[in-house]
Amino acid sequence: DMKVTQMPRYLIKRMGENVLLECGQDMSHETMYWYRQDPGLGLQLIYISYDVDSNSEGDIPKGYRVSRKKREHFSLILDSAKTNQTSVYFCASHTGDEQYFGPGTRLTVL
Amino acid sequence: AQSVDQPDAHVTLSEGASLELRCSYSYSAAPYLFWYVQYPGQSLQFLLKYITGDTVVKGTKGFEAEFRKSNSSFNLKKSPAHWSDSAKYFCALTGNTGKLIFGLGTTLQVQP
Repeated sequence: DMKVTQMPRYLIKRMGENVLLECGQDMSHETMYWYRQDPGLGLQLIYISYDVDSNSEGDIPKGYRVSRKKREHFSLILDSAKTNQTSVYFCASHTGDEQYFGPGTRLTVL
Repeated sequence: AQSVDQPDAHVTLSEGASLELRCSYSYSAAPYLFWYVQYPGQSLQFLLKYITGDTVVKGTKGFEAEFRKSNSSFNLKKSPAHWSDSAKYFCALTGNTGKLIFGLGTTLQVQP
């Protein structure tokens, strides 16, 4: 069974703190994504990774960076989090025509 | 530019009725089209896709969708609807960039 995992599932941080969201997949998929989901805005693409150390900005990369040092692991980093980064973050991995989504991380920045 | 429009933010119907969720897209070439479902508090689950071939595609959970090139639509259908179908449904498109472009979603409420 194809599986994408995300840690942590819930996170509360204060404005200005650093945030690390982690995503893993056990399918050796090359391409992975980070999205955020906000009410009324649907899913917005933050970053794409095509493989280890091969990352590309999505539609809303400002305020975020990513790291992919192993194919099965893709991290989203917020340096000095802002209150407008409060959201639900989804990771996905891609094979063929389909994307498989993780369970999401609900991040609250106070 | 590629885009996906789901014109109905909310749809409410009674259990046993037929459901049809609308999706239209804008893309200059042949699109790959998808439907995903998101149950409350959960992640997105793949329902079905259209790549090529038969314009009516069947997916999981008894859903099907019809691709209509003439009016650039890819509507999701199910009959009869069940209360457990209550969820948010997203239509999505992949074009030549390989990225999924999502619509804003339709929240479906099926009343028992």
